[in-house]
Amino acid sequence: DVKVTQSSRYLVKRTGEKVFLECVQDMDHENMFWYRQDPGLGLRLIYFSYDVKMKEKGDIPEGYSVSREKKERFSLILESASTNQTSMYLCASSSPFQLAGGPDTQYFGPGTRLTVL
Amino acid sequence: DQQVKQNSPSLSVQEGRISILNCDYTNSMFDYFLWYKKYPAEGPTFLISISSIKDKNEDGRFTVFLNKSAKHLSLHIVPSQPGDSAVYFCAASWKSGNQFYFGTGTSLTVIP
Repeated sequence: DVKVTQSSRYLVKRTGEKVFLECVQDMDHENMFWYRQDPGLGLRLIYFSYDVKMKEKGDIPEGYSVSREKKERFSLILESASTNQTSMYLCASSSPFQLAGGPDTQYFGPGTRLTVL
Repeated sequence: DQQVKQNSPSLSVQEGRISILNCDYTNSMFDYFLWYKKYPAEGPTFLISISSIKDKNEDGRFTVFLNKSAKHLSLHIVPSQPGDSAVYFCAASWKSGNQFYFGTGTSLTVIP
């Protein structure tokens, strides 16, 4: 069964703290994604990675960085958390479109609700 | 700039009736579209997709319609059930790309 797991369901941090959000997938997918979901704004792409050690900026990368040292793991890092980064963070993975013969479904983790005080 | 738009933030429907959720896009390069369903405190789950070579795709109670000339797609749920109450996101992509562009979501409430 397809599985994407995220390290925490709920997280509370203070302004200025460094925050790590971990995501692990067991489907051997090349592509991994980090989104944030905010009311009225939908899902916005922060970063994605199409291979180990590769990363691409999404629509809102400012204030975030990522790390992909292993194929199954994609980490999102908030270098210095701010209150405007309070959000639901969603990780997803998929096969490369080229291998799948077209866009492949993205499989999402359960999300991490981050609150920055 | 939002390339995929869902202009109705919320929708309420009586159980047993049809739910119609709409989605518009601006990028004519998009050729693959999906709908996702999301319950609170869970990640989105894939519901149904459609390729631009089709104008309709059906899966049980769910049907997606695509109107390429209008750059518009819709999701029909018939009959609607209380368990369908969730936020629905449409998403779009193209074959040479590797990412999806998501709409802002429509919160559907099915009233028993």
